[in-house]
Amino acid sequence: DTGVSQNPRHKITKRGQNVTFRCDPISEHNRLYWYRQTLGQGPEFLTYFQNEAQLEKSRLLSDRFSAERPKGSFSTLEIQRTEQGDSAMYLCASSLATSPQGRTEAFFGQGTRLTVV
Amino acid sequence: AQTVTQSQPEMSVQEAETVTLSCTYDTSESDYYLFWYKQPPSRQMILVIRQEAYKQQNATENRFSVNFQKAAKSFSLKISDSQLGDAAMYFCAYRSYTGANSKLTFGKGITLSVRP
Repeated sequence: DTGVSQNPRHKITKRGQNVTFRCDPISEHNRLYWYRQTLGQGPEFLTYFQNEAQLEKSRLLSDRFSAERPKGSFSTLEIQRTEQGDSAMYLCASSLATSPQGRTEAFFGQGTRLTVV
Repeated sequence: AQTVTQSQPEMSVQEAETVTLSCTYDTSESDYYLFWYKQPPSRQMILVIRQEAYKQQNATENRFSVNFQKAAKSFSLKISDSQLGDAAMYFCAYRSYTGANSKLTFGKGITLSVRP
């Protein structure tokens, strides 16, 4: 197992363009999380999936953001009509939840750094 | 809502010395988890140590140990015998014990540098 994989590692885009990021979690993990990290800040929760169901979205996730996890495997995060304020590191994490308290820790990917110019 | 505060943006330690990183948090919950994560430059975040709030004993992992003060809502990380590879950003994080969502709430982080 190679851990959580995110692609691309870096993305530079012009304001107004759409971008899509991909996250491949650890294969047996049923939970997948997206976080956003801006310079000098800790990661902030965006959304999470249990298998293919998106169960919670942060108010940080505006209508321009959409996330999917088809078939409960990889996930994509799309940002439409990008703005300069979207520039950040987007982190993906996965974990295994077998019961409300039976959870493994979250394992993080290396992130996708987005720069909107 | 829970909040996590790391008030020291940067710290420096001499190789082989000991350093303590501070963290405070605020919550109305009685059961929860606290974590310290390490984020080396351009590398993924990895878990350093974890503490369950219901445990009175402080967690230890080799050179890493915590001082968990539940009443004071304080959770500091002590790194003993500091090594050059310990240089990184360190984040304190909180997670609820119950509830379907096991999302993490992070502090702003602290940049630790290690002097050879």
